[in-house]
Amino acid sequence: DAGITQSPRYKITETGRQVTLMCHQTWSHSYMFWYRQDLGHGLRLIYYSAAADITDKGEVPDGYVVSRSKTENFPLTLESATRSQTSVYFCASSEQTGQPQHFGDGTRLSIL
Amino acid sequence: ILNVEQSPQSLHVQEGDSTNFTCSFPSSNFYALHWYRWETAKSPEALFVMTLNGDEKKKGRISATLNTKEGYSYLYIKGSQPEDSATYLCALNTNAGKSTFGDGTTLTVKP
Repeated sequence: DAGITQSPRYKITETGRQVTLMCHQTWSHSYMFWYRQDLGHGLRLIYYSAAADITDKGEVPDGYVVSRSKTENFPLTLESATRSQTSVYFCASSEQTGQPQHFGDGTRLSIL
Repeated sequence: ILNVEQSPQSLHVQEGDSTNFTCSFPSSNFYALHWYRWETAKSPEALFVMTLNGDEKKKGRISATLNTKEGYSYLYIKGSQPEDSATYLCALNTNAGKSTFGDGTTLTVKP
């Protein structure tokens, strides 16, 4: 089915570990985004991408790495996880500037 | 960083009440303003895309207006139902397709 999917839905890991969250969309949307949702902060942009091989930092990029070798995939990697990165992570895509974003179901990440 | 403010933070109404909430923003230099509905344990879904001053959009009992000159948008819900309970997000879409989200208004409709 067409859409945007995130995996895994839930992840528990330990501090210092590397973890990658996957995001895949089937619409061939140009723009893709990663957000984190924390109590009291709403949705905060981590990284975004305007097209394959083009990525840029958002509001809270420290500790995260992204890549976009293909239009449909936008993985987010925590290189050395910290407890402060415990959060719900949402991936989103949009067709072009001005269009609304379509969100994945989120990944709940807990770092012990 | 663009500051998008939503008020109130939360709202509790009785079934059948009509309600409205506000999204405020400092600049008219943006491509679009989006309203999203975000139900618990789900992901945000777009309700409206608003681009021009004076825009009015409607979907069933929910409608929205945009005033770019004074920097606000209103979302109205007529005759609230329990299924309207959700967090309503406002987002300002600027360059490179990025959106800055407000923290949302959480609506609870009591039967």
